[in-house]
Amino acid sequence: QSVLTQPPSVSGAPGQRVTISCTGSRSNIGAGLDIHWYQQLPGTAPKVLIYGNTNRPSGVPDRFSGSKSGTSASLAITGLQAEDEADYYCQSYDSSLGAWVFGGGTKLTVL
Amino acid sequence: QITLKESGPTLVKPTQTLTLTCTFSGFSLSSHGVGVDWIRQPPGKALEWLALIYWDDDRRYNPSLKSRVTINKDTSKNQVVLTMTNMDPVDTATYFCAHSTFGELYFDYWGQGILVTVSS
Repeated sequence: QSVLTQPPSVSGAPGQRVTISCTGSRSNIGAGLDIHWYQQLPGTAPKVLIYGNTNRPSGVPDRFSGSKSGTSASLAITGLQAEDEADYYCQSYDSSLGAWVFGGGTKLTVL
Repeated sequence: QITLKESGPTLVKPTQTLTLTCTFSGFSLSSHGVGVDWIRQPPGKALEWLALIYWDDDRRYNPSLKSRVTINKDTSKNQVVLTMTNMDPVDTATYFCAHSTFGELYFDYWGQGILVTVSS
């Protein structure tokens, strides 16, 4: 069981908007600790998509956005494209564990 | 340009000790705020953070693995070494090293990963 909970899968048609949720607790997201999102294409290393809850590294399209509220966070992808098909992971720091923690990952399928 | 690359054995036997090396370029592990982490991913499963070493030699470990894992650095060689004792088939995973920055709490550059299989 991951410390951060994500849905195992989401799907959407090209051009649609999808969201991926990430639920934590008072010792991570709820403690004000930042959430970060990674995209992992098949057979490759994860790549940071969103850092510090809402910030995009240079080169990441503005179709990707992050938000956070209470003990949860969300990644939104608008204008879905076939190339967005990948696994997505949320990540934070847990102050009770004293460890960096990941969600269980969400597989995005573009229909 | 920051790059990292993992190296080491791809097959180890149960009970053996695994030693992996992360060789990096584009930054110095003697620079204030710099950290290098190890993260692993069993086939088809989620990511798991293992350990971190900072520029000042501060080390952090995943509590669930702390008794088995050691992380060290060789600043002159631009390398970070992860040692994991008493390997078991459940430790079969792709092992990644990654760059991080003190206070930012995320991993901004990743190596390509190395798949380590534990089998007799």
